[in-house]
Amino acid sequence: EPEVTQTPSHQVTQMGQEVILRCVPISNHLYFYWYRQILGQKVEFLVSFYNNEISEKSEIFDDQFSVERPDGSNFTLKIRSTKLEDSAMYFCASSDSRTVRTYGYTFGSGTRLTVV
Amino acid sequence: AQKVTQAQTEISVVEKEDVTLDCVYETRDTTYYLFWYKQPPSGELVFLIRRNSFDEQNEISGRYSWNFQKSTSSFNFTITASQVVDSAVYFCALSEGRKLTFGKGITLSVRP
Repeated sequence: EPEVTQTPSHQVTQMGQEVILRCVPISNHLYFYWYRQILGQKVEFLVSFYNNEISEKSEIFDDQFSVERPDGSNFTLKIRSTKLEDSAMYFCASSDSRTVRTYGYTFGSGTRLTVV
Repeated sequence: AQKVTQAQTEISVVEKEDVTLDCVYETRDTTYYLFWYKQPPSGELVFLIRRNSFDEQNEISGRYSWNFQKSTSSFNFTITASQVVDSAVYFCALSEGRKLTFGKGITLSVRP
């Protein structure tokens, strides 16, 4: 079964450093997403991406965040200057126009980001 | 704005007991989708079920069953004969376009 792959599974970074979280969506999917889950809390939408541009973003997704699809396979989330409160699990997901109605998304297994 | 409420925060049962996880939602959309996800201790999100707003039939899949009642805006999840492997956090979610709004989750502990 096709999977969304996220790397690394766990990343530790120092406050103020830039970090890039990487995702390989399912190859024939067209829509890509990032969600965040602070430890012990609910999963929150950050951003959706389609046709090489952001289609929707939440108020959490401020100027320190950016997303990019640098090639035909990767989808990245960059956090420019990390803060302690950015420590969370970050989930990538992908869907096509059909599966979002049938199965929802396919989520990756997440990257746990720890800012120290 | 969309909202998903999972009023129960933690439930603890003994193995083989039945348990029901509640989910109440709010939306102004006439077409929407509801989901349940399981998050085991390893942290990934495991898709369990999707239901669209026009399909109020209950669904059963093995030990899992779901009860969707549009009149009360509820989409409850029952695990029959619970097992230790069912221990996890369970999230209910509601679609808004292609964005999902999650509830806060219910931590289910199944004791042997």
